[in-house]
Amino acid sequence: SQKIEQNSEALNIQEGKTATLTCNYTNYSPAYLQWYRQDPGRGPVFLLLIRENEKEKRKERLKVTFDTTLKQSLFHITASQPADSATYLCALDEASGGSYIPTFGRGTSLIVHP
Amino acid sequence: DVKVTQSSRYLVKRTGEKVFLECVQDMDHENMFWYRQDPGLGLRLIYFSYDVKMKEKGDIPEGYSVSREKKERFSLILESASTNQTSMYLCASKQLAKNIQYFGAGTRLSVL
Repeated sequence: SQKIEQNSEALNIQEGKTATLTCNYTNYSPAYLQWYRQDPGRGPVFLLLIRENEKEKRKERLKVTFDTTLKQSLFHITASQPADSATYLCALDEASGGSYIPTFGRGTSLIVHP
Repeated sequence: DVKVTQSSRYLVKRTGEKVFLECVQDMDHENMFWYRQDPGLGLRLIYFSYDVKMKEKGDIPEGYSVSREKKERFSLILESASTNQTSMYLCASKQLAKNIQYFGAGTRLSVL
């Protein structure tokens, strides 16, 4: 099964800067890769999905890239705000029985300082 | 909006008790999932269900069982709770052949 690596150390940045989070995987490239946001004591919330044939996806201040050669996805938040402070999880989808079963990384905590 | 509701936010049980965690979704999703989340270990899949009365073991099924008698409801059962099952339990659902999972708010279970 896939091994997914996300930086376990928290990322601390100043408000207004761009935050960049990394997701690396070790085996085959998944057909889909997703990013979720999780606030303390809550369930994860879906943010963005990118397909293996897409290089980049954007949604408002969020941008995701997917490099199947490097086996890596980068997640960017531009003009970051303290409200963006949360843990961000990446998930890789594996096809199983006609459906997709995601495998989640452990997440990286982002702290945006005012 | 999709809603996934977990029956309890916090639960305290004694070792050896039988524990039921309930999850209900209102979007007619085929797939449902139970995860546990522990600090430093991330989300780990316990069981999932493709559809009614179907279940598949995830990565850590030992000590757990599940029930899916109706499409909207997926129950996680701890037959005899142990202290190492103290954790945050998260339920999720999604449409068949779709990718996006919708999570409940979680149940923080403490087994004393």
